[in-house]
Amino acid sequence: EVQLVESGGGLVQPGGSLRLSCAASGFTFSSSWMSWVRQAPGKGLEWVANIKQDGSEKYYVDSVKGRFTISRDNAKNSLYLEMNSLRAEDTAVYYCARCIFGRSAGYFDYWGQGTLVTVSS
Amino acid sequence: EIVLTQSPGTLSLSPGERATLSCRASQSVSSSYLAWYQQKPGQAPRLLIYGASSRATGIPDRFSGSGSGTDFTLTISRLEPEDFAVYYCQQYVSSAWTFGQGTKVEIK
Repeated sequence: EVQLVESGGGLVQPGGSLRLSCAASGFTFSSSWMSWVRQAPGKGLEWVANIKQDGSEKYYVDSVKGRFTISRDNAKNSLYLEMNSLRAEDTAVYYCARCIFGRSAGYFDYWGQGTLVTVSS
Repeated sequence: EIVLTQSPGTLSLSPGERATLSCRASQSVSSSYLAWYQQKPGQAPRLLIYGASSRATGIPDRFSGSGSGTDFTLTISRLEPEDFAVYYCQQYVSSAWTFGQGTKVEIK
């Protein structure tokens, strides 16, 4: 059974930093693109970042470029999101998701339950 | 950036009725890169349809997807009580993934 379990969310002040983690199991993590997708309270879904299997390619939504860094540790089956210079508009539930990505596919097939990040003073 | 616009914003229907949800893209999207998700309150999204028309594993055949270019449709042939939820379309192009704003299917 595929499992994605996020952790690391919490309350942080504007300008602060936070590191999210996602522990993966039930599939070959090292063979999968992985993603972070967020959802602000009462709002829709927003893709945040993607990382290739070996970490050699990373993509970000414009609003987080230069502030967030996605990374992975295939030996630990773990995905990370380092978030710096946090703003109130970064407040959201952050989901870890597996991304099926290739020449003829670009979607998220498994999702974690999410971790809430609140940016407030 | 491609913008996905979903309509209607809210669909009020009764169990057993047919639901037709629209997703319109601001530019042409490859059907290979169009997906649909269902999200219930307090839950993570669930993949329903990928490649515009392929059902994900375990998705009932009352869910179907169609469309091409800029216009895509998710159809639920006969609504079951568990189908009342929010539905999102999603696309990929040029190293960016975007979602529509969602359509809420509520019980009439």
